[in-house]
Amino acid sequence: KQEVTQIPAALSVPEGENLVLNCSFTDSAIYNLQWFRQDPGKGLTSLLLIQSSQREQTSGRLNASLDKSSGRSTLYIAASQPGDSATYLCAVRPGTGRRALTFGSGTRLQVQP
Amino acid sequence: GAVVSQHPSRVICKSGTSVKIECRSLDFQATTMFWYRQFPKQSLMLMATSNEGSKATYEQGVEKDKFLINHASLTLSTLTVTSAHPEDSSFYICSEKLGPDEQFFGPGTRLTVL
Repeated sequence: KQEVTQIPAALSVPEGENLVLNCSFTDSAIYNLQWFRQDPGKGLTSLLLIQSSQREQTSGRLNASLDKSSGRSTLYIAASQPGDSATYLCAVRPGTGRRALTFGSGTRLQVQP
Repeated sequence: GAVVSQHPSRVICKSGTSVKIECRSLDFQATTMFWYRQFPKQSLMLMATSNEGSKATYEQGVEKDKFLINHASLTLSTLTVTSAHPEDSSFYICSEKLGPDEQFFGPGTRLTVL
């Protein structure tokens, strides 16, 4: 059974810092990996999607990398802003792509102004 | 991306009553829908997968008679929590899958059972 772990569970940084969120998964047979943002009491916003054949994806200040063989992904946030404060969730889709995403427990990020 | 709506956004009910949550895809037809549950400060846990016109497939440990899922059309799926108890209080999120790459999420429904 696929297990997804995110470290750290919580992170507080001053505004302007660059930071890295980590995600690891136990079964490397994934179809793709996705990073989401969740604001308190809200649904999910997709940030980046990385196919299993890709190494990284970039969107604005966000960069996500994928090392499928080692079961790891990182989300890099450059020049963090208070508006980045949220919970960041990593999720993997197994095998052929037909099944649902399996989520990590998330990293709660607080960016101090 | 695709738009998925959920109704209601919040519901408070008494223990023993049943609550129905609706999930609608507003701009595409979804053959596969997923229902997740999220307890405070925890991640999303998949409850069940439903395919239009067929019975839902429930994850291990999820009672199918307690969490009734109906996926009668390509744009509507419903989750009914029957005989709700306080331990059912949670954030319920539906999700619709559009091909192998994209999965779109509803805004969630906060259920509080008194």
